[in-house]
Amino acid sequence: DQQVKQNSPSLSVQEGRISILNCDYTNSMFDYFLWYKKYPAEGPTFLISISSIKDKNEDGRFTVFLNKSAKHLSLHIVPSQPGDSAVYFCAASPSSNTGKLIFGQGTTLQVKP
Amino acid sequence: DAGVIQSPRHEVTEMGQEVTLRCKPISGHDYLFWYRQTMMRGLELLIYFNNNVPIDDSGMPEDRFSAKMPNASFSTLKIQPSEPRDSAVYFCASSPETGYLHGYTFGSGTRLTVV
Repeated sequence: DQQVKQNSPSLSVQEGRISILNCDYTNSMFDYFLWYKKYPAEGPTFLISISSIKDKNEDGRFTVFLNKSAKHLSLHIVPSQPGDSAVYFCAASPSSNTGKLIFGQGTTLQVKP
Repeated sequence: DAGVIQSPRHEVTEMGQEVTLRCKPISGHDYLFWYRQTMMRGLELLIYFNNNVPIDDSGMPEDRFSAKMPNASFSTLKIQPSEPRDSAVYFCASSPETGYLHGYTFGSGTRLTVV
């Protein structure tokens, strides 16, 4: 039972354009969401997060949007750069202070020069 | 800070053999997590520890899997006996007390191949 789903296994965009990665979740008790980025042969690294009390969080070229009613979040990268090519995982925390994160399957982003 | 250190980086073993994966978390981190990455399911949480105590092992697939954390600086994940379907990349991660607010720090992973 996949509580966090990334339905697009891959995404290809042109350099300079916007990349939009999507994530859906099923558990309404999730209160914190994060995005991780993973390069080949490396572990995932934290990218950006958002609390359930917000609907948007921005950090430079990266913006995460949260739609609680739809149980959907998205990561926007503007402008996309070739160095952004990686696997992106969304993750959700089931409740405060457990430390536990549930991850999605990942989406492979390719940014073409 | 050397980060989360995992060993070995690669492991190839024959079906039926015992496999032990190792992890050294970041000093001072209270949480330690073991994840498995597969194409189908992404990153699956296997087990996690808080202050060396196992908190949730519901993700451990079978009794063949076991994990220990004898002290704050070391953890092992053991598979005995190993099977081909265990082939995956296994990640260890650690975090401070309020880890989910700041994100985990992952190790580079152990790629396990069971033939």
